[in-house]
Amino acid sequence: NAGVTQTPKFQVLKTGQSMTLQCAQDMNHNSMYWYRQDPGMGLRLIYYSASEGTTDKGEVPNGYNVSRLNKREFSLRLESAAPSQTSVYFCASGPNSNQPQHFGDGTRLSIL
Amino acid sequence: DQQVKQNSPSLSVQEGRISILNCDYTNSMFDYFLWYKKYPAEGPTFLISISSIKDKNEDGRFTVFLNKSAKHLSLHIVPSQPGDSAVYFCAASRLNNDMRFGAGTRLTVKP
Repeated sequence: NAGVTQTPKFQVLKTGQSMTLQCAQDMNHNSMYWYRQDPGMGLRLIYYSASEGTTDKGEVPNGYNVSRLNKREFSLRLESAAPSQTSVYFCASGPNSNQPQHFGDGTRLSIL
Repeated sequence: DQQVKQNSPSLSVQEGRISILNCDYTNSMFDYFLWYKKYPAEGPTFLISISSIKDKNEDGRFTVFLNKSAKHLSLHIVPSQPGDSAVYFCAASRLNNDMRFGAGTRLTVKP
């Protein structure tokens, strides 16, 4: 009963390196989401995928790309990491829009 | 621009008493509101929701109230238990997947 699984759990990068965060869900949900959480800011939506084959920008998409590989998997890529991207990243999935989302346990990413 | 605001970073209550967490929003187009609970090193978990056509929704010890004219919602926990100690996030969305979260309120329930 895994729910939403994120890998890795922790990562340290140097400025300019690239990285892909992986997310998979086993609940047959249509929608998937990537958020970042920063102190005092709550969770901010980076990108989302309303259904397989579609992706859309959220509130803070700059510096990120996403791929909805299939219905289960939604990856987030940092092409050239910057210290401002140091954050905790959460992946979530939901049956459809305007329904509760189920979150993974997060990836803590530090960029030096 | 922060469209969902939780102005109290922290709240401390005694076990057995009522906890009231508040949330304000600025976008009148939001039509669905949720509360999530988060423990350290875990992802947020869904607690309770309310659609804009209602003004109250109850689930056990948890009740969410929505005041659309004031653009305000609140979460009541009665009675509060030590296991309720966590960070609570308010969230709001329109029918387009774009969900906005508040900054969170850390609730501490003292035995």
